[in-house]
Amino acid sequence: DVVLTQTPPTLSATIGQSVSISCRSSQSLLHSNGNTYLNWLLQRPGQPPQLLIYLVSRLESGVPNRFSGSGSGTDFTLKISGVEAEDLGVYYCVQSTHAPLTFGSGTKLEIK
Amino acid sequence: QVNLLQSGAALVKPGASVKLSCKASGYTFTDYYIHWVKQSHGKSLEWIGYINPNSGYTNYNEKFKSKATLTVDKSTNTAYMELSRLTSEDSATYYCTSPLFDYWGQGVMVTVSS
Repeated sequence: DVVLTQTPPTLSATIGQSVSISCRSSQSLLHSNGNTYLNWLLQRPGQPPQLLIYLVSRLESGVPNRFSGSGSGTDFTLKISGVEAEDLGVYYCVQSTHAPLTFGSGTKLEIK
Repeated sequence: QVNLLQSGAALVKPGASVKLSCKASGYTFTDYYIHWVKQSHGKSLEWIGYINPNSGYTNYNEKFKSKATLTVDKSTNTAYMELSRLTSEDSATYYCTSPLFDYWGQGVMVTVSS
């Protein structure tokens, strides 16, 4: 199975600070069809996860543009440019290039 | 709008089975697969598998092949997941979700306890 390693496990930020979360894959996530199926999710406390970014860098409809995704192959990054209070929660990367689908271990964002 | 409504929390005894439901609305039910995901308390997410509501075709994570059975009822736009031979390791919140993870059910907590 593909292992997704997220760092850091926890992140503490002040409002307005920019932060980045890394997701490294044990295998390339480039599919034979040319797409890279790497998404980012945010799970707020007591809520189901919500989709932020799909296909590495495409912003889901309704998601603020302070969120951005980048990367290729095995290394991916989620950046939040100017953290807001509502951004607290746990961030997960998830890949669906290889079966079985797998999730990262999560990065918990706390607001100072 | 798309909505995935899951059944309520369940308390079940060890060794028993439980059948969870996920009722879809706001789109054509047979157009999209339904995926199921497990989240143990305070932990990350695990993909259980998916079902094609149109054909009934299923694809399971090997880890859950002997644990979960996915079915659908097209007449009610409802997907089901039955979990069998429950143990404490099955105590978790279970979600149904769309293929792109853009829509999620609210989750159902299953507690296995005598």
